[in-house]
Amino acid sequence: EAGVTQSPTHLIKTRGQQATLRCSPISGHTSVYWYQQALGLGLQFLLWYDEGEERNRGNFPPRFSGRQFPNYSSELNVNALELEDSALYLCASSSGQGARTEAFFGQGTRLTVV
Amino acid sequence: GENVEQHPSTLSVQEGDSAVIKCTYSDSASNYFPWYKQELGKGPQLIIDIRSNVGEKKDQRIAVTLNKTAKHFSLHITETQPEDSAVYFCAASPPSNTGKLIFGQGTTLQVKP
Repeated sequence: EAGVTQSPTHLIKTRGQQATLRCSPISGHTSVYWYQQALGLGLQFLLWYDEGEERNRGNFPPRFSGRQFPNYSSELNVNALELEDSALYLCASSSGQGARTEAFFGQGTRLTVV
Repeated sequence: GENVEQHPSTLSVQEGDSAVIKCTYSDSASNYFPWYKQELGKGPQLIIDIRSNVGEKKDQRIAVTLNKTAKHFSLHITETQPEDSAVYFCAASPPSNTGKLIFGQGTTLQVKP
């Protein structure tokens, strides 16, 4: 069974541009979570989608947004990129609602803003 | 606010020795505690988890213990092998269904052959 897949693996953007990151959850999983992992830091919660709805967002500015499609895949959009947005963006999925069920991560998208 | 403290930040052991990583959480109502292993260039891999109604859980060489009174939980790896070298993250789930895990800062484990 395929795990969580993310694309692209690497993304280089210029400050001020927009970035779109994509995530396909494990088959049968309805919840998708996005986390940011900046260099040397832990994982910071960004967004949670379930059944096509945004259920919660972390302490990030509105230029971080996303959506979940009917097939439960998701995309994360980051507008007006800033240098400090450079990080590994991780997507996870779970079969139940919320973080109290097992969440499985993808390999991440390395975003570099220059 | 919600917080998870993880210690040590780095840990070096000889192959075959045991390794212990400790985490402390702030919200006493947290009820789910997973541990993730992240190898270089990869995403975090769930290796073991424990819920608040259990004090200990074991899976081969890996075990996790939970002390709800002290708000501590620990990862124990026995008979370490070089392939155990990675960054390990603990996490705690807040009691309300927010969908987020609160992660510790990570422990870089190096197992020397």
